[in-house]
Formats: sequence, C-alpha cells, structure tokens
Amino acid sequence: GQQLNQSPQSMFIQEGEDVSMNCTSSSIFNTWLWYKQDPGEGPVLLIALYKAGELTSNGRLTAQFGITRKDSFLNISASIPSDVGIYFCAGLPPGTYKYIFGTGTRLKVLA
Amino acid sequence: DVKVTQSSRYLVKRTGEKVFLECVQDMDHENMFWYRQDPGLGLRLIYFSYDVKMKEKGDIPEGYSVSREKKERFSLILESASTNQTSMYLCASSTRLAYSGNTIYFGEGSWLTVV
Repeated sequence: GQQLNQSPQSMFIQEGEDVSMNCTSSSIFNTWLWYKQDPGEGPVLLIALYKAGELTSNGRLTAQFGITRKDSFLNISASIPSDVGIYFCAGLPPGTYKYIFGTGTRLKVLA
Repeated sequence: DVKVTQSSRYLVKRTGEKVFLECVQDMDHENMFWYRQDPGLGLRLIYFSYDVKMKEKGDIPEGYSVSREKKERFSLILESASTNQTSMYLCASSTRLAYSGNTIYFGEGSWLTVV
C-alpha cells in the first residue's frame, strides 16, 4: 500500500531543543493526523487537523495542515526525555475512509 | 475518553493453530480496521469493516479473515497460523465521515508470536 514521505527518519537532539518533522504527499488530503508510538504500545493521537492552513497546538506540540493540502508539519518545543518515541503522520484522501500512514520519525532525546 | 480495547496484549501460538484477536470500541464508530505493523514496513491494512457484517480486503488479506457481528466488536482470525504472521497487530476505529472531522483511534496492540 501507499505510504507518505516523512522526514527525518530519525533524529537525536539535546533536551530543551525544538524539533521539526514533516510529511509530504503527491496527492491532497482532507485530514492530517499526528501520532506518537512508544515501544510495544499502540499509537496515541496527538493532534488532528481538518482544514488547509489550520495550525493547532497541544501543549508543547504544534502541527499545521499545509495550504496545498499535500503536506503537514509537527513541531515539538523544548524537548524532554519522555518525548522519545516514534512519531508518524496519517492522511485521509478525499472520498475514502482509509488512512495512509507516514513512515515514522524516530526521536531520541539526550539528557 | 475514546477507547479501543484489544483483548490480548501478548500471545504465543503454534504453527497451524487457529488464532482469534478481538477488538472492542466504545465510540459507536461505524468503521473498524485491522493492521499489522512490522519494522521497516509501517502499518499495513489487513481488513476493513464499514458496518456490521460488512468487510473489505485491505492490502494484505491473505491468511486472515474477519468477523463483525456487532457494531462495537471486530475480530481478526488466523485460520492456520504461520511463522510469517508473527507481528504486532493493531485494531482501530473511526467514524464514517469521509471528510473533515474523521479521526482514527488505535488500540494498544497485540503482539503475536507464532512458533
């Protein structure tokens, strides 16, 4: 099945630094979702975006639905050790119930 | 608070056994999904159900079947487990809204090892 391009694939950062990651698609989406997955656990929804240009925050996390509807960005400010995990995006194409998922960004935070 | 519950977190089964993975959601969602997640391959859709007794094959349905007798419950069945079905299985649910407002929620995952 199709997967979204997500970058970076992995990143090591220092505690306190800001983090940015993004997902891109060759086709448009109606919805963008961002998840965090800890080892051995199911994905947990972080932010949902439903409108082009929308900017939504959840604590230290901020995500944006790209104007072209083909991309989305997630920023984490002032990272802490518990931010470690895999972050991935999901996009919903028009006219379908089936989401397409990103390849994931593995985040490691150095204390 | 939204809840998708998978009945078994960890299972070890023998090759050839029949395996049932159960999933229940409490959000009155129309759509339910079964995915498997493997390192480097991401989330792959096995089966999808958009209503009671309705199902649709996903990207990798071979070796699996599903059952949805009640709206809140979606079962994944491995008729004869094989070692290449060792994986993390994720159940999910969403509304039928195929436009903005649709959100998909996942369960905690079921780790299946076939020996």
